[in-house]
Amino acid sequence: EVHLVESGGGLVQPGGSLSLSCAASGFTYSDYWMTWVRQAPGKGLEWVANIKQDGSEKYYVDSVKGRFTISRDNAKNSLHLQMYSLRAEDTAVYYCARNLWSDHWGQGTLVTVSS
Amino acid sequence: DIQMTQSPSTLSASVGDRVTITCRASQSISGWLAWYQQKPGKAPKLLIYKASTFGRGVPSRFSGSRSGTEFTLTISSLQPDDFATYYCQQYYSFSYTFGQGTKLEIK
Repeated sequence: EVHLVESGGGLVQPGGSLSLSCAASGFTYSDYWMTWVRQAPGKGLEWVANIKQDGSEKYYVDSVKGRFTISRDNAKNSLHLQMYSLRAEDTAVYYCARNLWSDHWGQGTLVTVSS
Repeated sequence: DIQMTQSPSTLSASVGDRVTITCRASQSISGWLAWYQQKPGKAPKLLIYKASTFGRGVPSRFSGSRSGTEFTLTISSLQPDDFATYYCQQYYSFSYTFGQGTKLEIK
């Protein structure tokens, strides 16, 4: 069974940094693109970033380019999102998902950017 | 970026009704469209990908179709478990935009 478990969320001040992780199990992790999607409180879904199977291609939504970095460790079946220069508008539940069309999702981790 | 216009934003319906949700892309995305269902406090669940292919374990009352840049999610006979919010997403071109969502409510 596919399992995705996010961790690392929490409260951070504007301008601060935070690192999210996603532990994957139940499938051959290195065979799949991986995705981060976020959802601000009471709002819709927003695609954040994708990373190719071998990490050679990475794509970001414009609003996080230059501030967020997606990475993966295929030896540890893990996905990461390093977030810098955080803003209030980055406050959201962050989900990791498998594949370009997100066929499996984690339960999400809440990031709150506030002073 | 490709814009996805989803309608309606809210839909009131009764158990047993047939309902349709539409998503229009601002340019061609071929058939690279997915539909998701989300319930309050839960992660989204994939229903349909490649416009009309069922996700794993999705009931057959759900179906997806495409006509050019217009995509449709149909629920043939609403069940109590179907009242939720539905999103479309294009994965043809980065960034992979979602529609605004359709909240399906009990009439």
